[in-house]
Amino acid sequence: DGGITQSPKYLFRKEGQNVTLSCEQNLNHDAMYWYRQDPGQGLRLIYYSQIVNDFQKGDIAEGYSVSREKKESFPLTVTSAQKNPTAFYLCASSIYNGGPEQYFGPGTRLTVT
Amino acid sequence: RKEVEQDPGPFNVPEGATVAFNCTYSNSASQSFFWYRQDCRKEPKLLMSVYSSGNEDGRFTAQLNRASQYISLLIRDSKLSDSATYLCVVSHANFGNEKLTFGTGTRLTIIP
Repeated sequence: DGGITQSPKYLFRKEGQNVTLSCEQNLNHDAMYWYRQDPGQGLRLIYYSQIVNDFQKGDIAEGYSVSREKKESFPLTVTSAQKNPTAFYLCASSIYNGGPEQYFGPGTRLTVT
Repeated sequence: RKEVEQDPGPFNVPEGATVAFNCTYSNSASQSFFWYRQDCRKEPKLLMSVYSSGNEDGRFTAQLNRASQYISLLIRDSKLSDSATYLCVVSHANFGNEKLTFGTGTRLTIIP
């Protein structure tokens, strides 16, 4: 089955620790995205990548880092510099130069205490 | 002003009723429009794209009014399974890329 997987579903970390969230897709999509969702707010774009070895900052990139070494994978690291890391993190993908529709993974709920 | 605005609800509607949501957007250069559905604590899923001519998919009808910069979603004969949050999504070109902007969502509960 084609799709986007994110792991783990729930993640708990102590403040001051970096944590990496996984995102893998087998849809052969070129573009991948990371969003965070907070209660009462729309999804906000953290980073996106349209091609391997290239990525761009979104609207709220501070305190986050990404890599895109393979087309299928786009991991997100939440660093200790991120002031409010507790959130629902969603990875998405789309066909580059196709329609702008994005398809989402099941998300990771990160809680930092 | 937010780029995409939706009435957050909640809308509590009896099963079988017709319900409509509106969404307004501020960027007149917006190019593509979508409705996504998000169930509680799950990921958003594409419900339908919205075309200038309006489009229908079963019980769902989406309309776009570019002059007034709003999008609507109509659900007929609502089912219990329609209970979800509906996200209005707008895209526009951003330095050669298309960027999606999400509304905060309208929460719908269908009551038996």
